[in-house]
Amino acid sequence: SQTIHQWPATLVQPVGSPLSLECTVEGTSNPNLYWYRQAAGRGLQLLFYSVGIGQISSEVPQNLSASRPQDRQFILSSKKLLLSDSGFYLCAWNRGTASYEQYFGPGTRLTVT
Amino acid sequence: DQQVKQNSPSLSVQEGRISILNCDYTNSMFDYFLWYKKYPAEGPTFLISISSIKDKNEDGRFTVFLNKSAKHLSLHIVPSQPGDSAVYFCAASHFGNEKLTFGTGTRLTIIP
Repeated sequence: SQTIHQWPATLVQPVGSPLSLECTVEGTSNPNLYWYRQAAGRGLQLLFYSVGIGQISSEVPQNLSASRPQDRQFILSSKKLLLSDSGFYLCAWNRGTASYEQYFGPGTRLTVT
Repeated sequence: DQQVKQNSPSLSVQEGRISILNCDYTNSMFDYFLWYKKYPAEGPTFLISISSIKDKNEDGRFTVFLNKSAKHLSLHIVPSQPGDSAVYFCAASHFGNEKLTFGTGTRLTIIP
């Protein structure tokens, strides 16, 4: 069966510090991978998605970036965090072609102080 | 432009009664619709989906209805249970699109 991991579970970082959130998927190959953010009281905002190694599509211009160094690894980064980057970050995957259902990880709660 | 809308931010229902969550969409290209359930501090979990070639899909206590002419879908939960208290998101996509477009969510509270 497939599982998706995210770490850390919670993170408190000062403004201006760097960020690295990691997501890995087990039990499948060549998945589509997604990063979402849920701000307090808001819906799910798609930040980045990837259909393969090194292929990243950005949905929202911001100071965040994403990378996919391995088939089942997806990393969300920032060089300098802003207060507005606080939120709940979710990684998701799906099987790609002809598969709509996405499966989410447990999320990372980021608080920028 | 919010292409998927959940106009009720919250809903309270008595335990054992029917919960009806609504979702509207504006993009006529959408041909696949999904519902997710989310508990606080957890990732959403997939509940049920429906293709535009159908107007109803059932899975146990959960039924999704699709009205294409009205661009409207609804999720019915019967009977409602305390564990159903969560935020429910509807989402939509279309053939060839790797992305889902999510609504803003409805917080369902089941009253014992």
